[in-house]
Amino acid sequence: DTEVTQTPKHLVMGMTNKKSLKCEQHMGHRAMYWYKQKAKKPPELMFVYSYEKLSINESVPSRFSPECPNSSLLNLHLHALQPEDSALYLCASSQASGQGAVFGSGTQLSVL
Amino acid sequence: SQQGEEDPQALSIQEGENATMNCSYKTSINNLQWYRQNSGRGLVHLILIRSNEREKHSGRLRVTLDTSKKSSSLLITASRAADTASYFCATDAYQAGTALIFGKGTTLSVSS
Repeated sequence: DTEVTQTPKHLVMGMTNKKSLKCEQHMGHRAMYWYKQKAKKPPELMFVYSYEKLSINESVPSRFSPECPNSSLLNLHLHALQPEDSALYLCASSQASGQGAVFGSGTQLSVL
Repeated sequence: SQQGEEDPQALSIQEGENATMNCSYKTSINNLQWYRQNSGRGLVHLILIRSNEREKHSGRLRVTLDTSKKSSSLLITASRAADTASYFCATDAYQAGTALIFGKGTTLSVSS
């Protein structure tokens, strides 16, 4: 298995909703990442987990809450989002932080 | 945080021509990577070049790295319509903790 699987592929939520994005990999990778990408812009790093521990938080607002329940799973919990949070959210994993990464196909999030 | 700057921002060529994209970065690195993204979905890892390497080939791809100038180039030879995509360089942002930080990207359009 050489894929990173992200669910859901699309999500529409209101500003008062709570939702979660899920990411799964079975490649034995020990680093997992969340990125946010706006249209026609590069991916922006949000969080990095290394060996299931949060190693980097790029000053992301607390309405985004990451969780790494085990070495294969990565969640991003969303609460009280703003319309400007609408974007493509990408999960990725790599053998170790900073190595070549495998990306999921992303979750297209719309906040109304 | 942004690490790299790609040049040009957009490139339009005919099938069969070569495409060259450049990337400059700011901090010391362990490696530099190139990724391709089609239609705003997941990124695909193309090639990784380590800081002690100067040139690397993979199929129709040739990457160079000049650490003294903090720059890299990606050459795609004999381009095809299927190469139409956005191309991003990414560095492992050594001084910021180990993560992948992406440049602004080059949008390549190959017409038949």
